[in-house]
Amino acid sequence: QVHLVESGGGVVQPGRSLRLSCTASGFTFNSHAMHWVRQCPGKGLEWVGGISYDGSNKFYSDSVEGRFIISRDTSKRTVYLQVTSLRPDDTAVYYCARDVDYYGSGTLSDWGQGTLVTVSS
Amino acid sequence: QSALTQPRSVSGSPGQSVTISCTGTTDDVGGYNYISWYQHHPGKAPKLMIYDVSDRPSGVPDRFSGSKSDNTASLTISGLQADDEADYYCCSYAGKYTFRSWLFGGGTKLTVL
Repeated sequence: QVHLVESGGGVVQPGRSLRLSCTASGFTFNSHAMHWVRQCPGKGLEWVGGISYDGSNKFYSDSVEGRFIISRDTSKRTVYLQVTSLRPDDTAVYYCARDVDYYGSGTLSDWGQGTLVTVSS
Repeated sequence: QSALTQPRSVSGSPGQSVTISCTGTTDDVGGYNYISWYQHHPGKAPKLMIYDVSDRPSGVPDRFSGSKSDNTASLTISGLQADDEADYYCCSYAGKYTFRSWLFGGGTKLTVL
């Protein structure tokens, strides 16, 4: 059974950084691209970015390009989202999701429960 | 890139059918058949309901179906049940100008009356 668990969220001041983690189990981790999707309060889902099965390709939405960095560690079965220069409008629940494809097809077959990031002074 | 356009809300009675639209442009919905739909009960993990416009993952009832015409994708839910009440999001590949990029719709709240 696929299981994705996000962690690392919390309250952080504007301009600071945070690293979110997503630990996976129940599937062959290094055979799937992974994505991060967020939901700001009262808003819809927003695709943040993704990483290919081997970490060789990383892709980001325009809204976070240059501020967010996605990486993965196969030995730890974990994908990371490093969020920097945080702004109040980055406040959101951040979900990680498994892609059905190696390189990223956008079909997100499994999701975690999310971790809440609150950017506030 | 702007979010894909979905109606903010739709409603129907148990047993009825509803259709949720998702409108984009030729750069996303109209240009690719990589359209997926997700069901999201608040506080829970989103769930994949439809992928590649009209394919259903195993375990998703055939009451859920997807289609596309030009720049608009649609999700139809027939035989509405109380548990269908949730938020629904479409998602489209939008990588015409940006390598590997995806767009979600703004979401539609389905109310089962």
